[in-house]
Amino acid sequence: AQSVAQPEDQVNVAEGNPLTVKCTYSVSGNPYLFWYVQYPNRGLQFLLKYITGDNLVKGSYGFEAEFNKSQTSFHLKKPSALVSDSALYFCAVRRDDKIIFGKGTRLHILP
Amino acid sequence: GAGVSQTPSNKVTEKGKYVELRCDPISGHTALYWYRQSLGQGPEFLIYFQGTGAADDSGLPNDRFFAVRPEGSVSTLKIQRTERGDSAVYLCASSSYRGPYNEQFFGPGTRLTVL
Repeated sequence: AQSVAQPEDQVNVAEGNPLTVKCTYSVSGNPYLFWYVQYPNRGLQFLLKYITGDNLVKGSYGFEAEFNKSQTSFHLKKPSALVSDSALYFCAVRRDDKIIFGKGTRLHILP
Repeated sequence: GAGVSQTPSNKVTEKGKYVELRCDPISGHTALYWYRQSLGQGPEFLIYFQGTGAADDSGLPNDRFFAVRPEGSVSTLKIQRTERGDSAVYLCASSSYRGPYNEQFFGPGTRLTVL
């Protein structure tokens, strides 16, 4: 069955430093992978998706994600973190017509 | 255009009561999804509509939960005989078509508290 795992409950990064939020996946067939962000008291917002093609996917707010088939990973990255990036980030995978979410990683950007 | 809207934003009820949660999808979106997000967890799929019909209701936890979408637009999630364990944020999402890309747009959620 399709699933994703986010091994870190929380990630702390100093403002201006690069950030990585980890995600690994387990799928049969071609993976359709997503990253969503959730700010306090707001709905989930789509960041980016991998369907096929380039392994480096660019998304909203300067985020990108690297699809690595050999490591079954889809890590979210940003070259220079902003305090406003502090939020809850979810990796997700499509299964049939629904999305299966990971448990989330809370990202804290320290000023 | 307007995004997905959900009402109420907060609902407090007593154990055993009946509640209805409403979702207004983005205009023209044929697919509508309900998820439940418990504290400290990712959203969990409940049910998916394509048009008026429930295409997949495998995530509904038991027969106290029911959802409708009679005209293929607005949807209502109904919970009978609420229990304290039903307390969560209920999220609705819509997408413009069924397919592998399946980008879903989420509403702000309804926070349900069962006392």
